[in-house]
Amino acid sequence: EAGVVQSPRYKIIEKKQPVAFWCNPISGHNTLYWYLQNLGQGPELLIRYENEEAVDDSQLPKDRFSAERLKGVDSTLKIQPAELGDSAVYLCASSLSPTDTQYFGPGTRLTVL
Amino acid sequence: KQEVTQIPAALSVPEGENLVLNCSFTDSAIYNLQWFRQDPGKGLTSLLLIQSSQREQTSGRLNASLDKSSGRSTLYIAASQPGDSATYLCAVRPLFSGGYNKLIFGAGTRLAVHP
Repeated sequence: EAGVVQSPRYKIIEKKQPVAFWCNPISGHNTLYWYLQNLGQGPELLIRYENEEAVDDSQLPKDRFSAERLKGVDSTLKIQPAELGDSAVYLCASSLSPTDTQYFGPGTRLTVL
Repeated sequence: KQEVTQIPAALSVPEGENLVLNCSFTDSAIYNLQWFRQDPGKGLTSLLLIQSSQREQTSGRLNASLDKSSGRSTLYIAASQPGDSATYLCAVRPLFSGGYNKLIFGAGTRLAVHP
């Protein structure tokens, strides 16, 4: 069974440019999470989806970040415009249900110059 | 607000040593505690999960203990190998987490096992 797939794996952009990350969860997993992991820190939740509905986005900086989950499967996280402080690893995770174990993807490492 | 701290931040040991990684949390009202492993450029892999009613869990050379009342957990790695080199993260699920598996992570311990 395939795990959580993320792309791209690495992205380098200049500040003020837009960037998007894509996540394909494990098949059948209804809950999807986006995390931000700064260097030397643990992951912090940005947003959680139940099917196509964002049910917890309190930590998402809504002035520049947006996310969507079309048809309750794949998800895209966007930053526009990117700032230097956005350089981090963006992790996607999925689970069968809100109370089940989370499975993590390899992450996208973003560098903003 | 729940906070999770891991000590030490980094550890370097020779192959074959037994070692202990520490995790502490400020609020004892937890549903469970989980230890993850993260290899460079990769996602997190769950190693052990301890329910709040349990004292320890074992998997191979790994043993995790939980003392909920004192807010502490330890991950014991026996006979360390170079392949154990990775970052080890501790995460707690708060008891009152809005009905879902909300995870609060520590910053991790970066382990290097040299031959």
